[in-house]
Amino acid sequence: DTGVSQDPRHKITKRGQNVTFRCDPISEHNRLYWYRQTLGQGPEFLTYFQNEAQLEKSRLLSDRFSAERPKGSFSTLEIQRTEQGDSAMYLCASSFPSGAITGELFFGEGSRLTVL
Amino acid sequence: QKEVEQNSGPLSVPEGAIASLNCTYSDRGSQSFFWYRQYSGKSPELIMSIYSNGDKEDGRFTAQLNKASQYVSLLIRDSQPSDSATYLCAVNLGANSKLTFGKGITLSVRP
Repeated sequence: DTGVSQDPRHKITKRGQNVTFRCDPISEHNRLYWYRQTLGQGPEFLTYFQNEAQLEKSRLLSDRFSAERPKGSFSTLEIQRTEQGDSAMYLCASSFPSGAITGELFFGEGSRLTVL
Repeated sequence: QKEVEQNSGPLSVPEGAIASLNCTYSDRGSQSFFWYRQYSGKSPELIMSIYSNGDKEDGRFTAQLNKASQYVSLLIRDSQPSDSATYLCAVNLGANSKLTFGKGITLSVRP
């Protein structure tokens, strides 16, 4: 399977715990995006990378959230001291740089986080 | 005002009818406009893109863009039950920008 893969698919945690999600993009893609989606809402932008450089981070993103893409391949999204409001589907997408123009973002199946 | 707004829906149409989905955006600098389809429990997939004023047709889908009115729409002709999904409008400011999505509108096509 050469699509975008995310792990884990589901995570249940207790409030205050840290969680980490991993995304493996399509290998030829050098742009990688993280979005968050809650029920009844569209994907909300969190951050994106071109290769290993983090080019943009949402102003709405709490400093409890951090993302890395150390070698320009896979990426991790860590949420520290989780809160119930962090419960959501975390979507990863990848594209070529031209994807910003063509809109061709390829999404993974997402990692669903439930904070109890 | 939200950057990308869509009618809250849901929208229900009979099979064979035309479904009309609308979207407005706030940033006049927006350059690229997209429609994504998201089936329940699945991730979004791109179905249409449009960059200049006017209509763009692809099979049963037509995207319409009016930059003066900051309005983009999607028409689905001969709607099929398999078109039942949430349709997300997305806009982009440029090559080094990210896609900003609306909240989506859920379409149900009744057999």
